[in-house]
Amino acid sequence: SQQGEEDPQALSIQEGENATMNCSYKTSINNLQWYRQNSGRGLVHLILIRSNEREKHSGRLRVTLDTSKKSSSLLITASRAADTASYFCATDSSGTYKYIFGTGTRLKVLA
Amino acid sequence: SQTIHQWPATLVQPVGSPLSLECTVEGTSNPNLYWYRQAAGRGLQLLFYSVGIGQISSEVPQNLSASRPQDRQFILSSKKLLLSDSGFYLCACRTGGTEQFFGPGTRLTVL
Repeated sequence: SQQGEEDPQALSIQEGENATMNCSYKTSINNLQWYRQNSGRGLVHLILIRSNEREKHSGRLRVTLDTSKKSSSLLITASRAADTASYFCATDSSGTYKYIFGTGTRLKVLA
Repeated sequence: SQTIHQWPATLVQPVGSPLSLECTVEGTSNPNLYWYRQAAGRGLQLLFYSVGIGQISSEVPQNLSASRPQDRQFILSSKKLLLSDSGFYLCACRTGGTEQFFGPGTRLTVL
């Protein structure tokens, strides 16, 4: 079964606004990663947060992790048209070698 | 940093024909390697992963198989393709127990 589920499934915002995407998962994890995928392309790694971390920043990206709620959020500040893509979370369950991906959030940033 | 190559980039095959997709990795050694499939507009489904030469774990029963003849080579195969095998196939690599990186993908259309 799917480990991660992103919410919302689709999001449309104006350029300059902030975009927030959420990810929920089911089992204990070692790490959680966020990826971006432009249409028809491979996935680009954005940021990794470990289970003992609560917040991480990278440029305009801010990721939070709440292990008690088994959830994570990705915030993109001051969005740009180039941020239009699908965003996926992936979780690495404790004791496995596998990353399981969620269903993704399709973000559209309107210029 | 590692580079992941996949070929071909696109492939159109008739139902019942064989399949061989290749993934090679540069810039790292003894990686964990993964095959994912992504249906149109959907998330990623983990198909196979390998922690070493000749070691393959299958996640989903199907008519696909995987092999790892060399440390940095991962092959996805089928003896007879089905229509349902159409999709975007992504190879991924993971070393050091942290980030997972993806290749550019192969788009397979089975007619």
